[in-house]
Amino acid sequence: EAGVTQSPTHLIKTRGQQATLRCSPISGHTSVYWYQQALGLGLQFLLWYDEGEERNRGNFPPRFSGRQFPNYSSELNVNALELEDSALYLCASPNPPGPFSYNEQFFGPGTRLTVL
Amino acid sequence: AQTVTQSQPEMSVQEAETVTLSCTYDTSESDYYLFWYKQPPSRQMILVIRQEAYKQQNATENRFSVNFQKAAKSFSLKISDSQLGDAAMYFCACGNNAGNMLTFGGGTRLMVKP
Repeated sequence: EAGVTQSPTHLIKTRGQQATLRCSPISGHTSVYWYQQALGLGLQFLLWYDEGEERNRGNFPPRFSGRQFPNYSSELNVNALELEDSALYLCASPNPPGPFSYNEQFFGPGTRLTVL
Repeated sequence: AQTVTQSQPEMSVQEAETVTLSCTYDTSESDYYLFWYKQPPSRQMILVIRQEAYKQQNATENRFSVNFQKAAKSFSLKISDSQLGDAAMYFCACGNNAGNMLTFGGGTRLMVKP
């Protein structure tokens, strides 16, 4: 089965613009997690989508938002970009499928967002 | 709320020797899980090992083992017979079914010297 894919690999934006990042989970799996990995920091949980619904949200401002499509792929949108939004954004899909924290999270390669 | 702390930003080990990476955590949940993930340079994050908190026996996966001290809220990773391919960022993480997401530590960069 195909793994977790993310696009684009790199994204360069200027302050105040909007960024859209995309993720496709493991084929047929319904859950998608988004994490932010800022330089020198660990991963910070952003959003969790399952079956098309937002199930949980991390401690991030409302300008971080997203959605999940009927095919379970997901978009992360970041509005009004700030310099500190520069980070690696990782998407993860649990395997086996299911909203259980014990399950191994399969991570995508990430999107490196740079805000100038 | 959960917190995970990795107090060693960088560690180094000689090839073929043993190294231990430290992790402490705090959680208000009684049912939780602990993980070590590895992030090689420019490569995807992968699971190294995991431990269910209710299990007293320490998890082992080949050269990787953990020392789980529940009372002390400590979850260290031991890598035996270190190999050059073990060089990576290692992240300790804690999860539970209440929030269904993982809380990660800040990471430890492991360097392996030939």
